[in-house]
Amino acid sequence: NAGVTQTPKFQVLKTGQSMTLQCAQDMNHNSMYWYRQDPGMGLRLIYYSASEGTTDKGEVPNGYNVSRLNKREFSLRLESAAPSQTSVYFCASSMAGNTIYFGEGSWLTVV
Amino acid sequence: QKEVEQNSGPLSVPEGAIASLNCTYSDRGSQSFFWYRQYSGKSPELIMFIYSNGDKEDGRFTAQLNKASQYVSLLIRDSQPSDSATYLCAVKDTGNQFYFGTGTSLTVIP
Repeated sequence: NAGVTQTPKFQVLKTGQSMTLQCAQDMNHNSMYWYRQDPGMGLRLIYYSASEGTTDKGEVPNGYNVSRLNKREFSLRLESAAPSQTSVYFCASSMAGNTIYFGEGSWLTVV
Repeated sequence: QKEVEQNSGPLSVPEGAIASLNCTYSDRGSQSFFWYRQYSGKSPELIMFIYSNGDKEDGRFTAQLNKASQYVSLLIRDSQPSDSATYLCAVKDTGNQFYFGTGTSLTVIP
């Protein structure tokens, strides 16, 4: 079972470059999330999508945009990467707010 | 800002002992409570969830919830070296948003 799949797993960007993190889930979940995890800061919500066609800001949305392309896919875009966006990014999904399941993570370094 | 607080540790216990992990939360409207385990370099994986006051047992793991005290805990009995990981407490609010603590690092010493 694939569950939540996110790509790429590792990426190095130069300051000012843009990139999109892709996420897809095959569990027919309605809700999808993007978190970032930094040492000592825990998991912080960037954006979430309660259902197809809706997106909402989380705790740390600045510098990011998202697209809920369809029920399966939820992408995160960095328009102009900054060193402060160096982090591990996790995509996650849940059904109606029940248990949340995570992808394997994307390690992003901005130099 | 809804907060979920955990002791960052590190917590060290000998093999076979009971490990006790604690979590408090600020939002009284929180409905569901989860414990995740995260190995270094890996994603969080669900251990168990609890919705009602009291204890819930699953194998060597017991979750305890006290909504009046806004407190949730995880007990790991007969701790094994493979239990060494960071444990994340998560709380779901009425808007289906999940809030995570910063995690407690557990080391089980053989």
